[in-house]
Parts: sequence; C-alpha cells; structure tokens
Amino acid sequence: AQKVTQAQTEISVVEKEDVTLDCVYETRDTTYYLFWYKQPPSGELVFLIRRNSFDEQNEISGRYSWNFQKSTSSFNFTITASQVVDSAVYFCALSDANNNDMRFGAGTRLTVKP
Amino acid sequence: EAGVAQSPRYKIIEKRQSVAFWCNPISGHATLYWYQQILGQGPKLLIQFQNNGVVDDSQLPKDRFSAERLKGVDSTLKIQPAKLEDSAVYLCASSPKGGSGELNTGELFFGEGSRLTVL
Repeated sequence: AQKVTQAQTEISVVEKEDVTLDCVYETRDTTYYLFWYKQPPSGELVFLIRRNSFDEQNEISGRYSWNFQKSTSSFNFTITASQVVDSAVYFCALSDANNNDMRFGAGTRLTVKP
Repeated sequence: EAGVAQSPRYKIIEKRQSVAFWCNPISGHATLYWYQQILGQGPKLLIQFQNNGVVDDSQLPKDRFSAERLKGVDSTLKIQPAKLEDSAVYLCASSPKGGSGELNTGELFFGEGSRLTVL
C-alpha cells in the first residue's frame, strides 16, 4: 500500500529563515509520482511540484527547492528566505504510475512570523 | 479559465440527516476526484471518476456515501445518513488527464471545498 509520512506537524520560523519540510514515502511500485501541495488559510490546495520516480534531479524554483532521494524514500521541500506569505499547510503526496490513487501525508503547518 | 466550483461552501446538519455536495470541474477535465479532509489531517481520496466511469472507490464508505457523474461533467457526492465522524471538508478536484493526446501533468486542480458539520 502507498503511504506518505510527514513527521513534522508544525514548524514555526522567523521571516528570512530557511526551512525544510520532510516527506518520507512507502510504495512497492517502481514507477510513481511525488507531489507537494500548499494549502493556505483559504483552504484551496495549490499544486507546487510533481516529480516522477525516475528523475532524482533536485529542482529549484525561486525560493523553493526539492530534494528527492530514492535511497531514503524521501522528497523534502526547502523554502529559502521564508516570508510571511509562505504560512500555510504543506502536503506531500504520492500517486501510482497512472497518476491514480493519490495519497496525501498528514501535512506540516508552517508559520512564518514577521 | 474558471476553476473547480463547489457548493455549498458550508453545511450544518444533524446526525442521521442526509446531505449532498455538488462539484463542477474545470471545463474539459476528464478526471474528477472527491476527497475528504478531516480537521488536522491530509485529504483522503473517496472516489475518482474518469469521464463518467469510476476508477477507484475503494475508500468510499458505500453504506452511506454515494457519488455520481452521470454525464461525465459535474458530480454529486451524497451522504445518507450522516454520522458525527463525517464532519470534514469535502474537496473536489479535477485533472485534464485521460483521453488520447492529452498532456498528463498529474496536477490536480482543487475547489475551495464544502465544509460539513454534523451535530
């Protein structure tokens, strides 16, 4: 069965600090997809990134970066120079090769204080 | 482009009553999902449709929950009778995947959700 674990329930940082959100997954599939979504206070989940299991290259998008390590089954998300607007709940998710059966982790609530 | 529309945004009912939620996905999106998000938890997939067919409903409590997408466009999720533990936000999402020649990005587009409180 597919499973996603986000061990950090809540993280609080001060603006401009860097912060890393951890994600560990379990799957028996050899082909799968990993995702990160952001859920701001408004409640609507917003897609951030998708990564397939064959692409272990790290990705950077502005202040966001993702570190995918198959050896440790982890897909961690780092926000550099955090801002108050980054405050939200962040979810890591895993789907099968057909992008079906998407399973979400419990989420990490990030609070960035001014 | 209009996003995923859901209604009602909020609903309060007493246990054993019934409730229905409606979702209109982004135009042209073949796949539609219903998720249940209990407070403090991640979204849990209830049912996934591809056009008007069910792809996955393994986590749908079929004794009380039902969903349909008759014309392959909008969808309705019903709970009858509701229990206290059904209090949650019900999220609808859609994605463009499915059908020949479509670019499958894997991204799900979510609506704002319908918050259900069962008293």
